[in-house]
Amino acid sequence: KQEVTQIPAALSVPEGENLVLNCSFTDSAIYNLQWFRQDPGKGLTSLLLIQSSQREQTSGRLNASLDKSSGRSTLYIAASQPGDSATYLCAVIATGGFKTIFGAGTRLFVKA
Amino acid sequence: DTAVSQTPKYLVTQMGNDKSIKCEQNLGHDTMYWYKQDSKKFLKIMFSYNNKELIINETVPNRFSPKSPDKAHLNLHINSLELGDSAVYFCASSLDGINNEQFFGPGTRLTVL
Repeated sequence: KQEVTQIPAALSVPEGENLVLNCSFTDSAIYNLQWFRQDPGKGLTSLLLIQSSQREQTSGRLNASLDKSSGRSTLYIAASQPGDSATYLCAVIATGGFKTIFGAGTRLFVKA
Repeated sequence: DTAVSQTPKYLVTQMGNDKSIKCEQNLGHDTMYWYKQDSKKFLKIMFSYNNKELIINETVPNRFSPKSPDKAHLNLHINSLELGDSAVYFCASSLDGINNEQFFGPGTRLTVL
């Protein structure tokens, strides 16, 4: 049974710091992994999607990596800003498709 | 233009009532989903549909009945509401259920009194 874990559960950093959020999954047979952010009381916003054949994806200050063999993904945020404060969720699409399994999220707070 | 929309945004109702939540996507996607986010903010898939056909039903009580009248719509009807059904329900869609990113609606906060 696929399980997705995110560490840390919460993180507080000063503005400008570079940071890494971690996501691990127990079954390496995945189609892809997607990172989202969720602001309080809002829906999820897609940040990056990494296909199972890819090693990383970049968008602006965000870089996500995927190591299927070790069951890990990281989300790197460069030069963090107060506007980055949100909950970050990773999700994997299990083999067979159509079923997404989410981690519990990392709550990030960037202090001005 | 809103990509994935849900109505209503808030729903407050009494135990035992029946209610529906509507979802529409204008992205031309084939796959649509319903998720439940509980009070601890954990997000869990309930159903996924592909081309109007039910693909995934994650051991959801049969009081929950999804209906997809066409590829752009996936509605959720809930019978005999219970206190434990209180949660935020999210609709999402993707081009297919395998290789493409998912886009989420704004959520419907259901409160059962």
